[in-house]
Amino acid sequence: DAGVIQSPRHEVTEMGQEVTLRCKPISGHDYLFWYRQTMMRGLELLIYFNNNVPIDDSGMPEDRFSAKMPNASFSTLKIQPSEPRDSAVYFCASSLTGYTQYFGPGTRLTVL
Amino acid sequence: DQQVKQNSPSLSVQEGRISILNCDYTNSMFDYFLWYKKYPAEGPTFLISISSIKDKNEDGRFTVFLNKSAKHLSLHIVPSQPGDSAVYFCAASAGTASKLTFGTGTRLQVTL
Repeated sequence: DAGVIQSPRHEVTEMGQEVTLRCKPISGHDYLFWYRQTMMRGLELLIYFNNNVPIDDSGMPEDRFSAKMPNASFSTLKIQPSEPRDSAVYFCASSLTGYTQYFGPGTRLTVL
Repeated sequence: DQQVKQNSPSLSVQEGRISILNCDYTNSMFDYFLWYKKYPAEGPTFLISISSIKDKNEDGRFTVFLNKSAKHLSLHIVPSQPGDSAVYFCAASAGTASKLTFGTGTRLQVTL
């Protein structure tokens, strides 16, 4: 079975541009998570969904960030407008039970 | 407020010896703990977990110990192999299974 799929793997954009990160969870997993990893803050949870419904978005840094899960097999994390401080690696993870989470390879975002 | 702490940013161990990675936590509500391994340019990979009702869980070369009174857990790898060289994260959840709090990671290097 394929693992969590994320695209793109690398994204370089200019400040002010819209960025959309994509995630396909493992089939059958009911939970989907978005994380951000930076040197300063480590790995932090941004938002998670259960059965396509956002449950906790308290980690979303500000209104420039939004996440959607239109169906069980797809989610997006959007940043509009992007800023240089958004540069990080963004991970998507999915889980069957909510406890053990399986991570994708990540998207390395660079905002110039 | 770092609720999960990995105070050793790095550890070097000789092949064949035991590797011991430590993790401390402050939130007494944490009741489920996990260890993840991360290679460069990949997402974290689930390694082993333990519930707070146990004090030890073993899976092959990996054993996790939990000392609730000390709010401390450790991961033992024996014998250590060069392929174990990676960054190891401990993570914890409190009741709500889905919301994991991660430590900052310990980079393990297993030398020949």
